[in-house]
Amino acid sequence: EAGVAQSPRYKIIEKRQSVAFWCNPISGHATLYWYQQILGQGPKLLIQFQNNGVVDDSQLPKDRFSAERLKGVDSTLKIQPAKLEDSAVYLCASSLAETQYFGPGTRLLVL
Amino acid sequence: DQQVKQNSPSLSVQEGRISILNCDYTNSMFDYFLWYKKYPAEGPTFLISISSIKDKNEDGRFTVFLNKSAKHLSLHIVPSQPGDSAVYFCAASGGGFKTIFGAGTRLFVKA
Repeated sequence: EAGVAQSPRYKIIEKRQSVAFWCNPISGHATLYWYQQILGQGPKLLIQFQNNGVVDDSQLPKDRFSAERLKGVDSTLKIQPAKLEDSAVYLCASSLAETQYFGPGTRLLVL
Repeated sequence: DQQVKQNSPSLSVQEGRISILNCDYTNSMFDYFLWYKKYPAEGPTFLISISSIKDKNEDGRFTVFLNKSAKHLSLHIVPSQPGDSAVYFCAASGGGFKTIFGAGTRLFVKA
């Protein structure tokens, strides 16, 4: 069974630029999550989708971050404009129940 | 507000001995707890979980203990192996709350 796929794996941008990350969850998983993991901290939930609907986006900085999950499968997370403090690993996960399965993450460096 | 705390940033153990990783939580509404393991440049992978109706769950070398009255859980690895060297995240969910991750404990198993 294929795992959660994410791309790109690494991205370096300058502040005020925009960036987008892509996630393909495990087939059949209705729930998809985007996490931000800053160095030395645990993953922090940014947004949770159930199929193509948003369940929780309370910690998503909506002035600069956006996410969509068209057709309830793939998802994209966008940052526009990026700030220095957005440097982190962005993890996508999917689940059928409580256990979440994570992708390898996208490491973002904002200069 | 850190609802899930892993107070030990790192732990070093000799191969063959027991590794004990600890986790404390503050929200009594959490009813499901998970441990994830993370290698460098990879996403977290699910290791073991426990429901609040149990106080122990075992899977091979890994055992998770839950003390609800103390709001404390621990992961025991016996015997520890060099391949167990990784960052271990404790996570809690339930009661309508999103999954909250601790900051992680880096385990070093010395050969």
